[in-house]
Amino acid sequence: DGGITQSPKYLFRKEGQNVTLSCEQNLNHDAMYWYRQDPGQGLRLIYYSQIVNDFQKGDIAEGYSVSREKKESFPLTVTSAQKNPTAFYLCASSNHGTGHQDNYGYTFGSGTRLTVV
Amino acid sequence: GEDVEQSLFLSVREGDSSVINCTYTDSSSTYLYWYKQEPGAGLQLLTYIFSNMDMKQDQRLTVLLNKKDKHLSLRIADTQTGDSAIYFCAESIGGGYNKLIFGAGTRLAVHP
Repeated sequence: DGGITQSPKYLFRKEGQNVTLSCEQNLNHDAMYWYRQDPGQGLRLIYYSQIVNDFQKGDIAEGYSVSREKKESFPLTVTSAQKNPTAFYLCASSNHGTGHQDNYGYTFGSGTRLTVV
Repeated sequence: GEDVEQSLFLSVREGDSSVINCTYTDSSSTYLYWYKQEPGAGLQLLTYIFSNMDMKQDQRLTVLLNKKDKHLSLRIADTQTGDSAIYFCAESIGGGYNKLIFGAGTRLAVHP
């Protein structure tokens, strides 16, 4: 079955460490996205990628980095520069909007909960 | 600018209907979506409506769209305890890529 997989489900980070969250999809989707969700809040866009080897900053990119070397994979690194990284991280994928009457809703992974210890 | 607003909390009795409301700002939105998030999980697409439609029904779910007022609603008939979750409204906007703008989510609590 096609889907989008995030790993690990839970991740603990010590102060000053970089950690990388994995996101893999086998839906043949062109675009991939990373969101951060804090308790009681909505989704905030960190980074997105429309095509392999290209990505753009979202609304809260500071302290994060990404790569898109393969269509299927869009890993997110939370660097030590991110001062408040404890949150729930969601990855999503979609096809491009072409302006035609096709639905291009996002498919989400099950999330990674990152905690600073 | 782009904005999607929802009320944050709704409490209903089991068996009653739930209505979750959403307003959006971009009149050029092509699709509007409802997602459901259960505790500790990702977002699951519940239903969507194309902007040239007024209503869409899918089993217990009814979506109403008022384009003039930029108002979207989700009605859940015969609400069950399994419907307890956070519901996100989202609009798709143009601008070169498939960008969805999400509301903050409405937490639905179903009580006996």
